[in-house]
Amino acid sequence: DAGVTQSPTHLIKTRGQQVTLRCSPKSGHDTVSWYQQALGQGPQFIFQYYEEEERQRGNFPDRFSGHQFPNYSSELNVNALLLGDSALYLCASRLRYRGHGEAFFGQGTRLTVV
Amino acid sequence: GESVGLHLPTLSVQEGDNSIINCAYSNSASDYFIWYKQESGKGPQFIIDIRSNMDKRQGQRVTVLLNKTVKHLSLQIAATQPGDSAVYFCAVAYGSSNTGKLIFGQGTTLQVKP
Repeated sequence: DAGVTQSPTHLIKTRGQQVTLRCSPKSGHDTVSWYQQALGQGPQFIFQYYEEEERQRGNFPDRFSGHQFPNYSSELNVNALLLGDSALYLCASRLRYRGHGEAFFGQGTRLTVV
Repeated sequence: GESVGLHLPTLSVQEGDNSIINCAYSNSASDYFIWYKQESGKGPQFIIDIRSNMDKRQGQRVTVLLNKTVKHLSLQIAATQPGDSAVYFCAVAYGSSNTGKLIFGQGTTLQVKP
C-alpha cells in the first residue's frame, strides 16, 4: 500500500500564474482534506471532499478550489498566485465515517511562488 | 473563532529524560484533540488522540492529559529517544466531533540531545 501520494513534490511558479496539485488517497479511503502549511507554522485547513463534493471549507479565498474524482483522488487548484501562497500543501485521506485519528497525510507538495 | 497555541516553540531534552509538550485551546466546546509528530520532509503523523470525556489517555511511551477547566492539553513522552526529534503539533477538531475540521497549533520543535 503506497499510502497517500502527492505530486509534484516541488514546484516553482510565478506570481499571477495558476497551479494544480494532485493527491491520491490511501487505498480504501474516500475522504480527502487539503491543508496549507507555511514555513514554521502548523497546517491550516483549506477544504475537504467526499462523494466528489466540497463538504467543509476553511478560511481561504475563492482562488483556492478543488475537485475530487470518482476514484477518490483529488486536485487542489490555486489561481492568481501570490507570494504568500508559498507553502507546503498537504493532503490527508481517511474513510468518511472514521475520525481524524485514522487519517493519513501525504508528504506534501512544496510550492514556491516567485 | 477557534485558536490553538503552544507554549514553547522549542524544547530541548536529554536522551532518556521525559518530555512534556503543552498546548492551549480557546473553544470550550471543542471535544476532540489530537497530537501529531512531523519529521523533516514528511507530513504529520498521528500520535494519540483524546475525547473531552476523558482526562488522560496512554499509548506506547506517550500520554496525553486534558484539562478542560483551563482548556489545556499536554503530551508526555517517556524516556525520550533521538528518533523522537521532530515538530509536535496539537490539533483540535472544530465542529462535528472527530470528523470536524482540524485547527492546528504552531508546533513545538523537540530536540533530543544524546
